[in-house]
Amino acid sequence: DAGVIQSPRHEVTEMGQEVTLRCKPISGHNSLFWYRQTMMRGLELLIYFNNNVPIDDSGMPEDRFSAKMPNASFSTLKIQPSEPRDSAVYFCASSFPWSSGEETQYFGPGTRLLVL
Amino acid sequence: DQQVKQNSPSLSVQEGRISILNCDYTNSMFDYFLWYKKYPAEGPTFLISISSIKDKNEDGRFTVFLNKSAKHLSLHIVPSQPGDSAVYFCAASGETSGSRLTFGEGTQLTVNP
Repeated sequence: DAGVIQSPRHEVTEMGQEVTLRCKPISGHNSLFWYRQTMMRGLELLIYFNNNVPIDDSGMPEDRFSAKMPNASFSTLKIQPSEPRDSAVYFCASSFPWSSGEETQYFGPGTRLLVL
Repeated sequence: DQQVKQNSPSLSVQEGRISILNCDYTNSMFDYFLWYKKYPAEGPTFLISISSIKDKNEDGRFTVFLNKSAKHLSLHIVPSQPGDSAVYFCAASGETSGSRLTFGEGTQLTVNP
């Protein structure tokens, strides 16, 4: 298995531009998570999906952030418009459902975003 | 409110010695705890976990201890190897939080040859 795949690995954009981060979870995993890592706040959960349905988006910082999961093998995290304070590493992770007994989350390599 | 705390941002250990990484939590509803290891430019990778029904779980050189009364867990690595140098994150979840993991700030472990 290729593991969780994220693209792009690096993104540099200018303030005000739209940014779209992509994630392909591990095949068979029903839960998908988006995290953000910053020096100030560490690793924080933004949103997670179970069976393509958003379950908890309380970590999404504001309306500029949105996430979708149109099918079991693809998710996007969009920032529109982007701001310099959005600069961080964004991780996607996937796992089997919580009740399955195999809840370990597997992380992708991350997307390093820099907003100028 | 930081529900999971790793008070030591860094730890330096000599190769072959024991590394002990600590983690404290405040939420008494947490009942499942994990340690992740992260190398630069990579995502965190799962290392070891423990359920609250246990107080110890061992996997090779890695052992996690849980003290529920103190709301404290620790990761022991013995013997430490230079390849263990990484950032270690403690994470916790509970029945009420479901799939949601709460992470600590991380501890940078450096194992010196």
